[in-house]
Amino acid sequence: SQTIHQWPATLVQPVGSPLSLECTVEGTSNPNLYWYRQAAGRGLQLLFYSVGIGQISSEVPQNLSASRPQDRQFILSSKKLLLSDSGFYLCAWSYDVRVYGYTFGSGTRLTVV
Amino acid sequence: AQTVTQSQPEMSVQEAETVTLSCTYDTSESDYYLFWYKQPPSRQMILVIRQEAYKQQNATENRFSVNFQKAAKSFSLKISDSQLGDAAMYFCAYRGGNNDMRFGAGTRLTVKP
Repeated sequence: SQTIHQWPATLVQPVGSPLSLECTVEGTSNPNLYWYRQAAGRGLQLLFYSVGIGQISSEVPQNLSASRPQDRQFILSSKKLLLSDSGFYLCAWSYDVRVYGYTFGSGTRLTVV
Repeated sequence: AQTVTQSQPEMSVQEAETVTLSCTYDTSESDYYLFWYKQPPSRQMILVIRQEAYKQQNATENRFSVNFQKAAKSFSLKISDSQLGDAAMYFCAYRGGNNDMRFGAGTRLTVKP
């Protein structure tokens, strides 16, 4: 069966520090991968998605970046965090999102102080 | 661009009663999928139910059912025999021809014992 792992679960980082959130999927190959951010009490905002290794599409220009170094690994990064980067970050994968929707990771709560 | 609107930020229901959560969307596409996700306090996103736009029959999953009105672009979720464990944020989502899913802002459901 397929599983998705996301870590860390909680992160407190100072302004200006770098960020690296990791997401891996097991039990499938060539999944579509997504990074979403959820601000407090609000819906989900798509940040990046990837349909293959090295293929990254960005939805919202900001100081975040994403990479997909391996088929089932998706990384969200920043060189210098801003206060506005605080939020709940969710990784998701889908083999065929039109049919099956997404399977989400457990999320990372990021607080920038 | 497709948008998803959930006009009820908060709803409450008495245990064992029925509640309906509203969702409308805007699209020019004819072929798409609609989803309802549940996010309990653990923040884990859980797929509740999905609907293919080309199917006229409303989807049902145990106590959860939808009222899909394609012409009106409406996709409401009905929860019957509400249970305390149904308390959560509920997100409506749309997936069309793009490689991503658009989410509404969510409805917080409270279940009163």
